[in-house]
Amino acid sequence: RKEVEQDPGPFNVPEGATVAFNCTYSNSASQSFFWYRQDCRKEPKLLMSVYSSGNEDGRFTAQLNRASQYISLLIRDSKLSDSATYLCVVNGGAGNTPLVFGKGTRLSVIA
Amino acid sequence: NAGVTQTPKFRVLKTGQSMTLLCAQDMNHEYMYWYRQDPGMGLRLIHYSVGEGTTAKGEVPDGYNVSRLKKQNFLLGLESAAPSQTSVYFCASRDSPYNEQFFGPGTRLTVL
Repeated sequence: RKEVEQDPGPFNVPEGATVAFNCTYSNSASQSFFWYRQDCRKEPKLLMSVYSSGNEDGRFTAQLNRASQYISLLIRDSKLSDSATYLCVVNGGAGNTPLVFGKGTRLSVIA
Repeated sequence: NAGVTQTPKFRVLKTGQSMTLLCAQDMNHEYMYWYRQDPGMGLRLIHYSVGEGTTAKGEVPDGYNVSRLKKQNFLLGLESAAPSQTSVYFCASRDSPYNEQFFGPGTRLTVL
């Protein structure tokens, strides 16, 4: 089983739609969780951290289910500018292990 | 704060040439990382460092060497470039193993 798995997409949605991405991780010792956004040919940038109780930042909501080891990202009222690849990221567990990045889910928001 | 910077932004090499990519961060971060990303693919970790003077191998270390002589700099060396090393190279840093990483803008390397 891969450490972090995501549906690669692409998800093609109209403007204004709500879209959800899920991600599963294999290391039950992981303690930090993030969603990053990567635009074409650019560096990944932090979209939001994911907390156990769930958290929201404007149109974006992240949820964590530790028992099932999955993380979700919900985008409401999609904008054209939301078109990007969304990376699910999990810390590698105890110690200095590097973050583990999923391969990403590609989103295209269409006018 | 400039954050994480990478030098150069673009480079074209011939097979067998060597070069060094420089990553610099001004956030006093302990942890630094080098990744490569091929077209349409995910990030792959090459080498990383958990503090000044330390380095460790990542997922794809072969053909690369690194050094962290100063806390703010992390150098990635290609000893004898091969066409398979054509890629975009990203550097990243963070202050703790539990916090997010900050990425540099990338170096686009082509090996002919």
